[in-house]
Amino acid sequence: AQSVTQPDIHITVSEGASLELRCNYSYGATPYLFWYVQSPGQGLQLLLKYFSGDTLVQGIKGFEAEFKRSQSSFNLRKPSVHWSDAAEYFCAVGASRGSTLGRLYFGRGTQLTVWP
Amino acid sequence: EAQVTQNPRYLITVTGKKLTVTCSQNMNHEYMSWYRQDPGLGLRQIYYSMNVEVTDKGDVPEGYKVSRKEKRNFPLILESPSPNQTSLYFCASSLWGRGGDGYTFGSGTRLTVV
Repeated sequence: AQSVTQPDIHITVSEGASLELRCNYSYGATPYLFWYVQSPGQGLQLLLKYFSGDTLVQGIKGFEAEFKRSQSSFNLRKPSVHWSDAAEYFCAVGASRGSTLGRLYFGRGTQLTVWP
Repeated sequence: EAQVTQNPRYLITVTGKKLTVTCSQNMNHEYMSWYRQDPGLGLRQIYYSMNVEVTDKGDVPEGYKVSRKEKRNFPLILESPSPNQTSLYFCASSLWGRGGDGYTFGSGTRLTVV
């Protein structure tokens, strides 16, 4: 069965520090992978996505993520965090084949706090 | 503007009083879906629809109904709401078969059942 694990419920970083949010997935084939961000009281915004090809993908707001098939991971990174990055971040797996084609499965989220 | 529109944005209701949350998209997407978001649980899929008159259960369908009579609309129906259905609900749509690509989410409906 498909599943997404975000091991860190809450992360606190200082402004200007680097950031890495972890995501591990379980899926029987090569998945489609996504990171979404949700600011307080807002909807979901797509940060970046991976379908195939280059395993390092660039997204909006200076974020990037790396797909590592051997580790079933898709970690999100940013070299220098800004106070406006404080939000909740969701990793998601899209079913690429089979009876669940088209479905999107979410992790439980990581809440990011940024200290000034 | 391409969008998914949910109504209402906020709703407070009493236990057992039937309600409908509407969802409409203007992108001619085949695939539509409902999620609920609860603290610490992320987003969980309630129901999804692959096209008109084709719907299927997601991971948490109990207590909900949906219908897809037109391509653009996908209402979520709570026949007898209970307090454990207090949650933030999102509707989403995408082109069919894109494996989650191109999902467009609505702005959310915050439902409180007392």
